[in-house]
Amino acid sequence: DGGITQSPKYLFRKEGQNVTLSCEQNLNHDAMYWYRQDPGQGLRLIYYSQIVNDFQKGDIAEGYSVSREKKESFPLTVTSAQKNPTAFYLCASSMAQVGREQYFGPGTRLTVT
Amino acid sequence: QKEVEQNSGPLSVPEGAIASLNCTYSDRGSQSFFWYRQYSGKSPELIMSIYSNGDKEDGRFTAQLNKASQYVSLLIRDSQPSDSATYLCAVNMRRYSTLTFGKGTMLLVSP
Repeated sequence: DGGITQSPKYLFRKEGQNVTLSCEQNLNHDAMYWYRQDPGQGLRLIYYSQIVNDFQKGDIAEGYSVSREKKESFPLTVTSAQKNPTAFYLCASSMAQVGREQYFGPGTRLTVT
Repeated sequence: QKEVEQNSGPLSVPEGAIASLNCTYSDRGSQSFFWYRQYSGKSPELIMSIYSNGDKEDGRFTAQLNKASQYVSLLIRDSQPSDSATYLCAVNMRRYSTLTFGKGTMLLVSP
């Protein structure tokens, strides 16, 4: 069964702690993305990667970091430098060509108190 | 001007009616257009893609594209309460490597 998995579904952290969100895909997609969604808001792009060992900042990269060591995996670290980390985080993937449709994982809801 | 613009809604329609969701975009050279459905608390799900002018039908859904007017729409025929969700429009613009998403239109279908 091909798809994108994100874990955990819910995550709670104390302020000042770094936290890493997992994203794995078995669709053989080259490109992967991380978005953040706040209540009543659209999707905001954090980072994306079009190939292993390469990634680019999106619109709101400050306070976040990523790695892309394997084609299947694109973990996102929310650092203590991110001022408002509580949000719904969505991972997506697509074929490598620009403009192809993206498929989303189920999301991780992060709450930082 | 927002690059991909959608009316936030909510758009309220009775069960069985046609729901019409609209999206305008700023880049005339945009090539690919997508509609996603997002239920409350869930992730977006791709429901339609369209690449050329005209209509594309898939079951109860029809996507309409007019590149000259920079306008893409989604029609949902025989709307059902289960169609109640937020619908996101996404556009592939030339100046970006990734899709640009609108903020979405909330659709409410009442029984």
